[in-house]
Amino acid sequence: DTAVSQTPKYLVTQMGNDKSIKCEQNLGHDTMYWYKQDSKKFLKIMFSYNNKELIINETVPNRFSPKSPDKAHLNLHINSLELGDSAVYFCASSPLSGNTIYFGEGSWLTVV
Amino acid sequence: RKEVEQDPGPFNVPEGATVAFNCTYSNSASQSFFWYRQDCRKEPKLLMSVYSSGNEDGRFTAQLNRASQYISLLIRDSKLSDSATYLCVVNPVTASKLTFGTGTRLQVTL
Repeated sequence: DTAVSQTPKYLVTQMGNDKSIKCEQNLGHDTMYWYKQDSKKFLKIMFSYNNKELIINETVPNRFSPKSPDKAHLNLHINSLELGDSAVYFCASSPLSGNTIYFGEGSWLTVV
Repeated sequence: RKEVEQDPGPFNVPEGATVAFNCTYSNSASQSFFWYRQDCRKEPKLLMSVYSSGNEDGRFTAQLNRASQYISLLIRDSKLSDSATYLCVVNPVTASKLTFGTGTRLQVTL
């Protein structure tokens, strides 16, 4: 069974569209994250949720809105997509200590 | 100064070689340290934690130098399958906010 699963894996969409990426973890972890990895391979945290509560919100445009219906799910909704949003988005989870992070396989977003 | 800095490489080494990567971090209060491995078009995965006393896992040895604020990863007897990007990861004082370096790419060749 996949520990952290995210869908879709590949997404190609036009500028201005709204899209969502879903994430689920079956590890029983308390904390979930969204990371963005750009074309230069720099992996940067976007959001962190702990038991459905937002605890980290980095400098991310408010077009990006995470939603955590329960501690096993953290979805990412993106409004009005821009070319610069093209990247790989990784969902991840960790125990409360946050010391070991388990990543999903990534969602490759291409905005055209 | 970046929070976590690594030489991006690539490091091209022949099979069987020993290779070492260094990583420096800026926050002297950082609590914990890790090396993650990321294969091409895959997600990062934990390779090993880095302990103050240094630690070894098979062919891999990790060391921490708090005074100089750097960590290292040594790979002995390199295998083709070691080819990947190695990410240095630091957990600063704030919990749940691991900071990743940009990674060092290793290419092991025949």
